[in-house]
Amino acid sequence: AQSVAQPEDQVNVAEGNPLTVKCTYSVSGNPYLFWYVQYPNRGLQFLLKYITGDNLVKGSYGFEAEFNKSQTSFHLKKPSALVSDSALYFCAVRDPPGGYNKLIFGAGTRLAVHP
Amino acid sequence: DAGVIQSPRHEVTEMGQEVTLRCKPISGHNSLFWYRQTMMRGLELLIYFNNNVPIDDSGMPEDRFSAKMPNASFSTLKIQPSEPRDSAVYFCASSSSSYTEAFFGQGTRLTVV
Repeated sequence: AQSVAQPEDQVNVAEGNPLTVKCTYSVSGNPYLFWYVQYPNRGLQFLLKYITGDNLVKGSYGFEAEFNKSQTSFHLKKPSALVSDSALYFCAVRDPPGGYNKLIFGAGTRLAVHP
Repeated sequence: DAGVIQSPRHEVTEMGQEVTLRCKPISGHNSLFWYRQTMMRGLELLIYFNNNVPIDDSGMPEDRFSAKMPNASFSTLKIQPSEPRDSAVYFCASSSSSYTEAFFGQGTRLTVV
């Protein structure tokens, strides 16, 4: 069964510093991977995805993620954090066509960017 | 497009009452998901429809929960009878194919007292 793990409940970063939010996955076949962000009292917003191609994927708001097949990881990164990046971040995995195609989310990582 | 539309945004009901949550997916999307979010359990997938057909309902917690998708533009999630432990934010999401991202509604915050 597909699954995704976010090993950190919270990540603290100083504004201007690079940030990394970790994600590892387990899925049969080639994974479809996603990152979402949730601000308080809001729905989840799509940030970026990896389907195929380059391992480094660029998304919204300056975020990027690196797909590493050997380590089954899909870490979210940003070169310079902003206070406004503080939010709850979710990694998600979806089985490719031929499977059930469910979209499963990790537990979420709270990012706190301090001025 | 207005995005995924959920109603109501907030619902407060008494234990034992029936609750119906509604979702209008983005036009043209053929996959629809219902999720429940709580502090304790995070974001749980309850049920997943593809082309209006329930594909996987293994996440539905118990028989008190049921979901329908009578057509491509409407889905409901019903809880009967409701219990205080059902209190959560319920999200609906839709996607245009089996391998693209899903777009989320604003959620329904359900409180059962």
